[in-house]
Amino acid sequence: NAGVTQTPKFRVLKTGQSMTLLCAQDMNHEYMYWYRQDPGMGLRLIHYSVGEGTTAKGEVPDGYNVSRLKKQNFLLGLESAAPSQTSVYFCASSGATGGLSADTEAFFGQGTRLTVV
Amino acid sequence: LAKTTQPISMDSYEGQEVNITCSHNNIATNDYITWYQQFPSQGPRFIIQGYKTKVTNEVASLFIPADRKSSTLSLPRVSLSDTAVYYCLVGSDRGSTLGRLYFGRGTQLTVWP
Repeated sequence: NAGVTQTPKFRVLKTGQSMTLLCAQDMNHEYMYWYRQDPGMGLRLIHYSVGEGTTAKGEVPDGYNVSRLKKQNFLLGLESAAPSQTSVYFCASSGATGGLSADTEAFFGQGTRLTVV
Repeated sequence: LAKTTQPISMDSYEGQEVNITCSHNNIATNDYITWYQQFPSQGPRFIIQGYKTKVTNEVASLFIPADRKSSTLSLPRVSLSDTAVYYCLVGSDRGSTLGRLYFGRGTQLTVWP
């Protein structure tokens, strides 16, 4: 049981380049999330999805787009990368009750370290 | 989502009990209190959740007073491996908060030998 898998683990981009981060979960979870983590800033929610075909903005959505065409996958896209997007990106998934109700929890991937030069 | 306030950092020595308090004055009736732990270079992991009174598992205890306006995560006899960031989350999966899982900055716990 792989849980939540992020691809790639590391990436270096030049300013203006585009890329897509893939998050895959094998737990049949409804909810999926993308976060970024910068030193001293904790985890900040970029976008999230409450089901296949749905997406919503989190705290810091600007400069990112997402898609949830399949229930098990949640893609995070950077159309034109900027140095301010240098960060560690985490994906997570949780059951139908979103991780904040009884007996549920969110499961995280191992992270993607992205550097934009 | 109820706003939470927790200390930015705490220090402890091995073998001591550590209590991290989280304030959530505007917690709603349906809200649960959930704590996550994050080690360096890893994603957070769930450690404990509660609604009221006391919850205990193999990792920690969670104390919630009757008014639920705060909660305390208790780690018994910490070791160096408990050095991590601890996040307090308060909310529920209802209405306008559906799906919003906000972590904030958490509390950096450093355990010294």
